[in-house]
Amino acid sequence: EIVLTQSPGTLSLSPGQRATLSCRASQSVRSNSLAWYQQKAGQAPRVLIYGASSRATGIPDRFSGSGSGTDFSLIISRLEPEDLAVYYCQQTGVSPFSFGPGTKVDIK
Amino acid sequence: EVQLVESGGGLVQTGRSLRLSCVGSGFKFDEYGMHWVRQAAGKGPEWVSGISWNSDYIGYADSLKGRFTISRDNAKNSVYLQMNSLRPEDTALYYCAKAGGLGSFFNWFDPWGQGTLVTVSS
Repeated sequence: EIVLTQSPGTLSLSPGQRATLSCRASQSVRSNSLAWYQQKAGQAPRVLIYGASSRATGIPDRFSGSGSGTDFSLIISRLEPEDLAVYYCQQTGVSPFSFGPGTKVDIK
Repeated sequence: EVQLVESGGGLVQTGRSLRLSCVGSGFKFDEYGMHWVRQAAGKGPEWVSGISWNSDYIGYADSLKGRFTISRDNAKNSVYLQMNSLRPEDTALYYCAKAGGLGSFFNWFDPWGQGTLVTVSS
C-alpha cells in the first residue's frame, strides 16, 4: 500500500499570501494518478487537481498542482478567505487507493 | 447536473450488517467506475472499495479483511456496499463517489455524494 504524508499539518496565512502544500508518497506514483481535494467544514471533499497538475472543472486558476514520482505540491497563489479548508492528496495509481492525512489551511 | 445520493446508514450493534446504496443521476452511470469512501469524525477520508463500470475490476481496502462487498446494478444506476460483521471502528460517514473520466477505475473521484452516517455501537 502506498502511504501518503502531507506537510505542514497546519498552515496559517493572510489573504493574498501564497500557500504551498506538500504531499510525499512512500513509493512512486503515476503522475496521472495523484489528485488534490478541498474539504470545507460540513461538506464533502471536492476535487481541485487531478493528474498531478490538471485543474478540475470550475476550479479557480489560483490553484495549481505540480510534481512527479514521490513528491507533489499544491499551490494556492493568492489566498482568499473562502480557501479556509483541509486539503488532501490522494493516489489512485495502485489499489488500495490512499489519502494523505491532510493540511489545514487557516486564514488569519 | 451529476448527483449521487447515498442511503442505508443508521445505528447498528457490533456484529450486525448494513447495506448502503447510492443512486447516480445526471451522467451515464454504466460508463464510470464508482467508489465508497468513509470518513470518521475529525479524521481524513479512507478509501473503502471501488468497482469498475462493468464490475470486472473490484478493489478493497486491506483493513476490511473481507467483511465488505461492493456491487452495482447499472440498470438501476446504483452501487451498493454490503457491510458485515460491523465493528465500532467502522463508525463513519460513508460517501459514494464517481470516478473522474470515462472508463478507468484508476481515476480521481468527482463528484462525491453527501454521505450516509453509519454508527456501530459496542
